Formats: sequence, structure tokens, C-alpha cells
Amino acid sequence: NAGVTQTPKFQVLKTGQSMTLQCAQDMNHEYMSWYRQDPGMGLRLIHYSVGAGITDQGEVPNGYNVSRSTTEDFPLRLLSAAPSQTSVYFCASRPHGTYGYTFGSGTRLTVV
Amino acid sequence: DQQVKQNSPSLSVQEGRISILNCDYTNSMFDYFLWYKKYPAEGPTFLISISSIKDKNEDGRFTVFLNKSAKHLSLHIVPSQPGDSAVYFCAANSYSGGGADGLTFGKGTHLIIQP
Repeated sequence: NAGVTQTPKFQVLKTGQSMTLQCAQDMNHEYMSWYRQDPGMGLRLIHYSVGAGITDQGEVPNGYNVSRSTTEDFPLRLLSAAPSQTSVYFCASRPHGTYGYTFGSGTRLTVV
Repeated sequence: DQQVKQNSPSLSVQEGRISILNCDYTNSMFDYFLWYKKYPAEGPTFLISISSIKDKNEDGRFTVFLNKSAKHLSLHIVPSQPGDSAVYFCAANSYSGGGADGLTFGKGTHLIIQP
């Protein structure tokens, strides 16, 4: 049981490049979400999903796209990377009926 | 506009003593509150939670207290141990409101347990 797996762990992008941060969970959790954490800040919600095929925006969605074609996977796409998107990104999931999210170990992204 | 506030960026406590971490919120629609612990280079780990219909929840050395009228919650750790040194995040959501999922986090408090 791997929990929530995020890949890659580290990534350096050039401004304007696009990429996809992968997130997979093997716990059959309905709910998944993406957060970013910047220095001195708490985690901020980017996008979330309440089930396969259903996604919605969180607090800071601009510059990011998501899709949820399966229960297991919830990729986060950066359309055109900007230095302001330099951050640590966390994916999380929870089952229906409980409210505590299980987090992945994060992806540290640097945009130069 | 920060809806969840942790006003102490850091807290130093002696080993064996009680650690008290505080959290205030402004959104009266929040009905579930959680505490997460985070070590460097790792994801947050769920610690303990409390529903708005309760005022206290205990789990071993950890107790969370909720004062709805003051919009304040606190996490008590007793006795504090060296392994408790980490950043603690307070988080909240409104699960009964039929709205957004996901959590709103405070900025965190770095707890340092002194030997």
C-alpha cells in the first residue's frame, strides 16, 4: 500500500515550458486535491476533485489545469511555467466519510 | 484575507513539559478542524481533528480544544518529546456547506523541543 505517490520529486523548468506533476493514490479515495506551499506560508489549495470526472478550482488556480479520468490519478498541469510558480506542490486524498487528507511527499519545482 | 491564523511562527518548549499551539479562524462556516505535523522535505501528516459539535478531542498525548464562540482552537501536547519538533499546521473546512472540498491552512508554527 503506497498511499499517495507524487512524481517527480524535483523539477527545474524554464519560463514558458509546460509540464505535468503526477499524483496517484492506491487507496480508492474519492477526494483528491493539490496544494502549493511557499516559504513562510501555509498550504494553499489549487484544485480539487470530488470524484472521477469532477474537478473544481481552489484558492489559487490560475496557471494550472487538472483532470480526473480515473479514481487513482489526479495530474496537475502547468500550462506555461512562470517564476511565481516556484514552490513545493503537495497532492492529497481522502475517502468519503472521513475528513483527514493523506498527503504525498511533495514535488519541489523551480522555474528559472 | 487569512481565514485560518497561527500567530506564533515558532514556539520553544522543554522536553517533558506541555506544548500549546494556538489557532484562530474567521470563517464561521468552518465545521471541521484538523492539525497536521510536518517534517522538512516530507508531506504533512494528519495528527488529530475535531468537529464543530465537540469542544475537545483526545488521542494519546495530543488534545485539541475548540472554543466556537471565540473562533479559537488549540493543540496540547503533553508530555512533549524531542520527536515532536516539527512544523504544526492548523487546517479547516466547511464540509456541511455543500461547497468546496479541500482544506484552508494556517501558516504553521515551528515547535522546537529543547532537551
